[in-house]
Amino acid sequence: EVQLVESGGGLVQPGGSLRLSCAASGFTFSSYWMNWVRQAPGKRLEWVANIKQDGSEKYYVDSVKGRFTISRDDAKSSLYLQMNGLRGDDTAVYYCARGTPTPGIDHWGQGTLVTVSS
Amino acid sequence: QTVVTQEPSLTVAPGGTVTLTCASSTGAVTSDFYPNWFQQKPGQPPTTLIYNTNNKYSWTPARFSGSLFGGKAALTLSGVQPEDEADYYCLLLHGGTSMFGGGTKLTVL
Repeated sequence: EVQLVESGGGLVQPGGSLRLSCAASGFTFSSYWMNWVRQAPGKRLEWVANIKQDGSEKYYVDSVKGRFTISRDDAKSSLYLQMNGLRGDDTAVYYCARGTPTPGIDHWGQGTLVTVSS
Repeated sequence: QTVVTQEPSLTVAPGGTVTLTCASSTGAVTSDFYPNWFQQKPGQPPTTLIYNTNNKYSWTPARFSGSLFGGKAALTLSGVQPEDEADYYCLLLHGGTSMFGGGTKLTVL
């Protein structure tokens, strides 16, 4: 069974940093693209970033470029999102999501809440 | 700034049929956009229904189907059930990045 468990969310002040983690199990992590998707309270889903199997390609939504960094550790079956320069509009539930062989997402974690507030 | 547009809300009667659409501001949606469709119920993470335009997962109910229609991606629900009341999102690939639509709130009434 595919499982994705996010951690690392919490309350952070504007301008601060946070590192999210996603522990994957139930599949060969190194064989899949991985994604971060977020959802602000009461708002739509927003795709944030993804990373190729070998980490050689990474893509970001414009609003986080230069502030967020996606990475992975295949030995630990883990996905990360380093978030710097956090702003109020980064407040959201952040989901870890597995990519599909054709572009897309098939499995989702339960999410971790990030709140940016003073 | 690319925008992906969905109907904000739709209402359907139980047992009825409804089609949700997904348009891109860049032009006609084709299979090269690899449309995905997701269902999200309150307080839960999304679940994936459709990938690559019209392909279903093992867990996707048979009443859900995906297609391309009139330059848009489409999700059709046939024989709607009360438990289908939810938010539905499409996802389109634009170059190397992906983009969700604004979501459609489907009410079964």
